[in-house]
Amino acid sequence: GNSVTQMEGPVTLSEEAFLTINCTYTATGYPSLFWYVQYPGEGLQLLLKATKADDKGSNKGFEATYRKETTSFHLEKGSVQVSDSAVYFCARGAGKSTFGDGTTLTVKP
Amino acid sequence: EPEVTQTPSHQVTQMGQEVILRCVPISNHLYFYWYRQILGQKVEFLVSFYNNEISEKSEIFDDQFSVERPDGSNFTLKIRSTKLEDSAMYFCASSEALEGRGYTFGSGTRLTVV
Repeated sequence: GNSVTQMEGPVTLSEEAFLTINCTYTATGYPSLFWYVQYPGEGLQLLLKATKADDKGSNKGFEATYRKETTSFHLEKGSVQVSDSAVYFCARGAGKSTFGDGTTLTVKP
Repeated sequence: EPEVTQTPSHQVTQMGQEVILRCVPISNHLYFYWYRQILGQKVEFLVSFYNNEISEKSEIFDDQFSVERPDGSNFTLKIRSTKLEDSAMYFCASSEALEGRGYTFGSGTRLTVV
């Protein structure tokens, strides 16, 4: 079946550090790929998306590139802030999305 | 920015009772979903709804669950006889199109079954 594998957390970084959260997906078809963010005590928010190979999604300084050859959609940010502390979910497909397990990011001042 | 609204934000119910979780999707969206997240675990698909009928459901969505769009604006999830293991955060989502756009999620209803 369809699956998404995310880098295990938690991830703890200092402010202004570089962030990478790895995500790989099963290659059935050509699914859309998404990153969602869940801030403490809140619901899920769509962070960025990509709908086809080599697309780059970007938002709020975060980026992820749809890599068909490696079936990956890694999330990156060049300089994290304390306010980026949250749980990040990678997801594939729409209609019936499959979510990764989530990666908790804590950014310390 | 348009929002998906869920009520209540927190519901406590006794085991065996029926609960109805309510959602108001974004008005021009056509596809509606329920997901749940048991505390500390992954987000799980329950059901999708389009054109006034269920388009897909997961194995979690058994006979105890039902969904309805009673009046063209609300989208409800009913659990007929709640069990302790139904305790979770339930998220409603809607999308404009089936593929490519991503969902807009509501802020969730925390259901606690005691």
